[in-house]
This record gives sequence, structure tokens and C-alpha cells, in this order.
Amino acid sequence: DQQVKQNSPSLSVQEGRISILNCDYTNSMFDYFLWYKKYPAEGPTFLISISSIKDKNEDGRFTVFLNKSAKHLSLHIVPSQPGDSAVYFCAASAGVAAGNKLTFGGGTRVLVKP
Amino acid sequence: DTGVSQNPRHKITKRGQNVTFRCDPISEHNRLYWYRQTLGQGPEFLTYFQNEAQLEKSRLLSDRFSAERPKGSFSTLEIQRTEQGDSAMYLCASSGLGLTEGYTFGSGTRLTVV
Repeated sequence: DQQVKQNSPSLSVQEGRISILNCDYTNSMFDYFLWYKKYPAEGPTFLISISSIKDKNEDGRFTVFLNKSAKHLSLHIVPSQPGDSAVYFCAASAGVAAGNKLTFGGGTRVLVKP
Repeated sequence: DTGVSQNPRHKITKRGQNVTFRCDPISEHNRLYWYRQTLGQGPEFLTYFQNEAQLEKSRLLSDRFSAERPKGSFSTLEIQRTEQGDSAMYLCASSGLGLTEGYTFGSGTRLTVV
């Protein structure tokens, strides 16, 4: 069973515009959510996280929104830059009691066109 | 500290052979995780350690897989009698007790079983 889903396998956006990546989850025990970026031949790199007690977290060009009732989160990148072209993974954790294990979505490939 | 280091970066082996991968985590991190990623998928949890104790193993981790973290420092992941289905990227990550800054992943070891 896929507990974390990213339904858009790819996204193409013009440089300077907004990129919106979506993620849905099914496990109500998840209480911490993260986004990672991955370039080819490298490990995932942490971008931003959000606790379930918040509905928004912002860090520079990256903002994560959490809608607990819908079990949905999104990542906004504004403005998008060519260097943002990568695969983005959404991940969720049920917290310390679950060993902080992360369950990942399948990823969304983002291409930012100059 | 140079981050999480994984060796080797690439491994090609014949079916039936044993392979061992090494992970050197960030020194002050007491949690170490192993994940596996196949093409087009997100990373899947395999096992994790807190210090030297292996606290959880995924059911993905068959009896052919074993992981150790002697003295709570580096970790090794061994696969015995490799099968073609074991071909994947094996990712190691380390973290402190919290998730605010996520995990730090290594660059991974790509295993190809021929």
C-alpha cells in the first residue's frame, strides 16, 4: 500500500514562475512532513519540513503548505530557477515513536525552462 | 565533517555473489538509516540503528540481508547470494534525534547484479 503519493510524475515550468508540487498521504499517524530534492547520481538533499501542528512553513523561495483534514501537502517554489530542475520527493514520518522513519512518495521530476 | 560517506559508489556483481557496502555517518548523529531506491520510485526504508542497536528492520529486508553498526560508528550492509532483483541504489542516511533538519543522505551505492 502506498501511504505517500505524488500523483504528478513530472512538471515543466518557465523560469521565474511558480512551481507547485503536490503530495497526498493516507496514514493519519504521520505528524511530520519533509521535502527532498534529488539530482542524478546524488543522494536526496533536505529542503524543508513541517510539523502537523502548523499549516505553513517558509524558507526563502520554498514554502510548504499542510492541509491535515485533506491529508495533503504542497511545495511552492517561487521564483523557479533552472537550478531547481531535479526530482522532488515528499516524505512523511510518524515521529520518534516510529523511529523517525520516513515514508517517501514516488517523486515529481521538475524541469525549469530558461 | 564532510557529510555521509558511502562506499563503493558503484558495484557490479554476478548473481549469487555476496556484496558489502559501507556507510560513514556524520559523527555526532546517533541514528543511521538504510534505504533502497529503484528506478522511478522513492526511497524505501530497510533498517535503522540508534547508536549500535538495530531497532527495526523492514519486511523488505530478507534473510539474505544483514546490517551492522559496530560501536555506533560506521555501518555495513551485506547482501548474500545476490539476485537480479537486488539491483538498486542503496542509500544511507544519518540524523540526530529530531527531524527538524531531516536526514542527511549519502550519495548512495548503485548495485547492479548481472
